[in-house]
Amino acid sequence: GAGVSQSPSNKVTEKGKDVELRCDPISGHTALYWYRQRLGQGLEFLIYFQGNSAPDKSGLPSDRFSAERTGESVSTLTIQRTQQEDSAVYLCASSFDTAAGETQYFGPGTRLLVL
Amino acid sequence: AQSVTQLDSHVSVSEGTPVLLRCNYSSSYSPSLFWYVQHPNKGLQLLLKYTSAATLVKGINGFEAEFKKSETSFHLTKPSAHMSDAAEYFCVVSGGYSSASKIIFGSGTRLSIRP
Repeated sequence: GAGVSQSPSNKVTEKGKDVELRCDPISGHTALYWYRQRLGQGLEFLIYFQGNSAPDKSGLPSDRFSAERTGESVSTLTIQRTQQEDSAVYLCASSFDTAAGETQYFGPGTRLLVL
Repeated sequence: AQSVTQLDSHVSVSEGTPVLLRCNYSSSYSPSLFWYVQHPNKGLQLLLKYTSAATLVKGINGFEAEFKKSETSFHLTKPSAHMSDAAEYFCVVSGGYSSASKIIFGSGTRLSIRP
């Protein structure tokens, strides 16, 4: 079946502009995660959604970052007033649930460049 | 508290020789441990995972890892490297209860294969 998809694949924006990144998880996966990966570094957890529970926003770096998810489907990550340090690859992953041993399936990422 | 340390940022081996990528972890709970691989311009893919079953875990593409509680290690090995193994490898530890913020990625090890 279809995997996790993300759009756009690449985004170039000017400092101060808002951007919106989209993630389509695997159908039936109740858990959805957003990560940030800066060049040459590991993954930095941002936020996760589990079903209809309140999202865990503990990884969001500032109030310029927000995310929404409608039910168990699409999620959007919004970055307001982008800064150059926001340049990174933003990865989305989904899993069947959030049990500790559950495998996450990753999308190809959105490469964001803030000029 | 949980943490994961990948001891080498870069490993280079000759094609046909063994691969060893080192990972040490710390966890207050019985952890689940994963290795993910990231090929250039491709998404993260699960190689293998340990979830308190057999301590020697076999994954895809001939990779395996052994969970050693006494050494708090989960090193990734492969008997004979192939050119297609060149990629970034991430060791991941996941906590003993459901919370995505307890999923910790290592900083990654870049594996290069010499012809």
